[in-house]
This record gives sequence, C-alpha cells and structure tokens, in this order.
Amino acid sequence: RKEVEQDPGPFNVPEGATVAFNCTYSNSASQSFFWYRQDCRKEPKLLMSVYSSGNEDGRFTAQLNRASQYISLLIRDSKLSDSATYLCVGNAGNNRKLIWGLGTSLAVNP
Amino acid sequence: GAGVSQSPRYKVAKRGQDVALRCDPISGHVSLFWYQQALGQGPEFLTYFQNEAQLDKSGLPSDRFFAERPEGSVSTLKIQRTQQEDSAVYLCASSDRTSLGTQYFGPGTRLLVL
Repeated sequence: RKEVEQDPGPFNVPEGATVAFNCTYSNSASQSFFWYRQDCRKEPKLLMSVYSSGNEDGRFTAQLNRASQYISLLIRDSKLSDSATYLCVGNAGNNRKLIWGLGTSLAVNP
Repeated sequence: GAGVSQSPRYKVAKRGQDVALRCDPISGHVSLFWYQQALGQGPEFLTYFQNEAQLDKSGLPSDRFFAERPEGSVSTLKIQRTQQEDSAVYLCASSDRTSLGTQYFGPGTRLLVL
C-alpha cells in the first residue's frame, strides 16, 4: 500500500462545476501536506499547503483531517485552465523527504 | 531566469550505456532532491542533499544509480549500464532552508533507453 493514496480519476467536469479530490495517508507521523499541480509534460508546481484549520486561496480550498488521515482539495467554479493532474504530497515524518501520491487527473470541459 | 535548470532535456541511450544528468538548483537553495517519474505516475523520491551532504539515498533503485553534489550547488545523477526500465523523466527540485514542502522543480530530463 502506498503511503499517500489518491483516486487517479480522470475527473471530467463542465466549466463552472465544483470538484473535490481526496487523498489518504498512512504515516501518522507526517506533519505537513501539500497539493501540487502538474500540467501535461511539465514539472510539478506547488498549488497550496494544507493546514489543520483549513485554508483557502481563491477558488481553491484545502483541508486536513488528522484523525481520519485524509486531505482534501476543493475547486469551485472550475475553469478550463484548471485541467491538470493534482498531486497530494506529505512529508515523511519530520524530515524534508516528501512522499507523493500518483496524482488525480482533472479535465474541465467547455 | 532564476529557476532550476536541468540538462540535457532529452536523452536517448542504448542499453548498457552510462548517462549523466545535471541539475542547477536555484542559487542559495541548500536542499536538492532527485525524483524519477514514470508515465502516469507521481514523482518517486530518489535522493536528497543538504548542501554537499547526501542525507538520504534510500530511493535509489540500484547501485547503478549514483548522485553527487560536491560543492553544494550543481548536482549530477549518474546511471551506469542503463536498462530499459530506467526510461523515465528525472526531475530535480530545490528548496531553501525555511520551506519544508515548497520545492521548485526543473523541467526534467526525459531519458529513453533503447
């Protein structure tokens, strides 16, 4: 079982839809979590960090549930430009090594 | 620009050939990471440097893989006697001392072993 698991999708949604991705992690010692975005044939880029209290950045909301060991990403009012793979990432305990999920593919259709 | 750069961007190697992949991190970034990403997969950790010290190489798949960062800046990932299963994108990322999870990635080197 991978340490960070995501539904690979693909998620196909119309423009303007709200879509949510979930991610689960197995290492209870993991302290920090992140969502990265990766466009086709490009490198990953940090989308947002995930805090226990939940955090919002424009149309994007990330939440962390430590008790259930899952992380979520909510995208509201989807845009065509949101089409990408979204990678859930956690750190391996208290060091700098990051553990990556396989990614969830999102296609926003006109 | 001031981002992470990698070279070559593309490499085709014959099985058994040695290859060397280079990474230039963002100036001043103490941490440098190498990842391997196969098609349709997330990045898989290979190794991590803090300055010139290789603190974690647990992800290197075999002793054919070797990485170094002798002066704490540029890093080289070397693969000896390449095999077809080594075909992947090799990503380099760097981060500064203060940001645990913010890693800045280079464009990657696409390696194809024939």
